[in-house]
Amino acid sequence: RKEVEQDPGPFNVPEGATVAFNCTYSNSASQSFFWYRQDCRKEPKLLMSVYSSGNEDGRFTAQLNRASQYISLLIRDSKLSDSATYLCVVNTGDTGFQKLVFGTGTRLLVSP
Amino acid sequence: DAGVIQSPRHEVTEMGQEVTLRCKPISGHDYLFWYRQTMMRGLELLIYFNNNVPIDDSGMPEDRFSAKMPNASFSTLKIQPSEPRDSAVYFCASSFGVGSLTIGYTFGSGTRLTVV
Repeated sequence: RKEVEQDPGPFNVPEGATVAFNCTYSNSASQSFFWYRQDCRKEPKLLMSVYSSGNEDGRFTAQLNRASQYISLLIRDSKLSDSATYLCVVNTGDTGFQKLVFGTGTRLLVSP
Repeated sequence: DAGVIQSPRHEVTEMGQEVTLRCKPISGHDYLFWYRQTMMRGLELLIYFNNNVPIDDSGMPEDRFSAKMPNASFSTLKIQPSEPRDSAVYFCASSFGVGSLTIGYTFGSGTRLTVV
């Protein structure tokens, strides 16, 4: 089983739509979670951290369910500029220093 | 802050040649990571350093790959000899550690390697 699994998509949505991405992780000892955004032919960039209580940043909402080892990202009122690949990232490791493990990403295409 | 700087941005080389990728981390960051990204496998961690010391190289695909960090401001990833299956985008990232967690994880722009 992969450490971090995502639906690769693509998700095709019209402008203004609400879209949700899901991600599961295998290591129950994982401590921190993130969503990164990667534009075509660019490097990944941190979009937001994911907290146990859930957190919101403008149109973006992230949720964590530790019991189910599940992370989600909700994007409301989609914009054309939201088109990108969204990477689910888990800080994981057995002992000592924990390293970031990336999912393969979910591609989002927002159309006019 | 100049961010993480990688060079070259693009590299095309013939099979069997040696390839060297370079990275300058953000000043003050004590962790440096080398990742490889392909369509099929996504982002894979190859190796990471803490305070210039290699900590985990279990992701390095084979002996043809080697990485060094001679000082806090420079790291190299070398492939010798290169093969077409090494074609990918190689990213360097740096961060600083707080306890067992990484903070401020930042990627460089990557090196797009093509081996023909």
